[in-house]
Amino acid sequence: EAQVTQNPRYLITVTGKKLTVTCSQNMNHEYMSWYRQDPGLGLRQIYYSMNVEVTDKGDVPEGYKVSRKEKRNFPLILESPSPNQTSLYFCASSSWETNTGELFFGEGSRLTVL
Amino acid sequence: SQQGEEDPQALSIQEGENATMNCSYKTSINNLQWYRQNSGRGLVHLILIRSNEREKHSGRLRVTLDTSKKSSSLLITASRAADTASYFCATDGGYSTLTFGKGTMLLVSP
Repeated sequence: EAQVTQNPRYLITVTGKKLTVTCSQNMNHEYMSWYRQDPGLGLRQIYYSMNVEVTDKGDVPEGYKVSRKEKRNFPLILESPSPNQTSLYFCASSSWETNTGELFFGEGSRLTVL
Repeated sequence: SQQGEEDPQALSIQEGENATMNCSYKTSINNLQWYRQNSGRGLVHLILIRSNEREKHSGRLRVTLDTSKKSSSLLITASRAADTASYFCATDGGYSTLTFGKGTMLLVSP
């Protein structure tokens, strides 16, 4: 089954404790992206990757890091989480071949930073 | 940067009625997409309309695009309780990013 898998789905952590949210897709998609969703603010893009070893900042990259060492994986790293990073995070992927830009989303990772 | 802006923010209708949501955007686009999100879940792609298209249909969905007014509408005909969700428009001004609006919350009551 074609899917984007995020882990963990739920996480409560404390300020300053490094964490990684993993994202994996099994559709051989070139493009991957991270969004955060906050009430009243909609979805905002954090980082995206056009292909392996190619990453770029979205609208709200501060406090986050990403890497794209393999095509299927695009982890989101919070080196020193702060309470304002409490949010619902989504990973998404897309293929150039379809030329539609349709994004396939994971089920989300709800992060709480105390 | 947020480009799409949905209207209304919330919509409540009865089953069987039609639901219309609107999206306005600011800059030129290559295409506009609509997504659906059930509460707290991942977004699901519904339909894409390209900048050179004016109307598109998919099942009970009808999307229109007016590039001169920089606006789009999503019509769901004969709504069902299962259509209850948030609906987002997303604009693609270039292939590297897809910018989402804040969404319309649709509640369909039995």
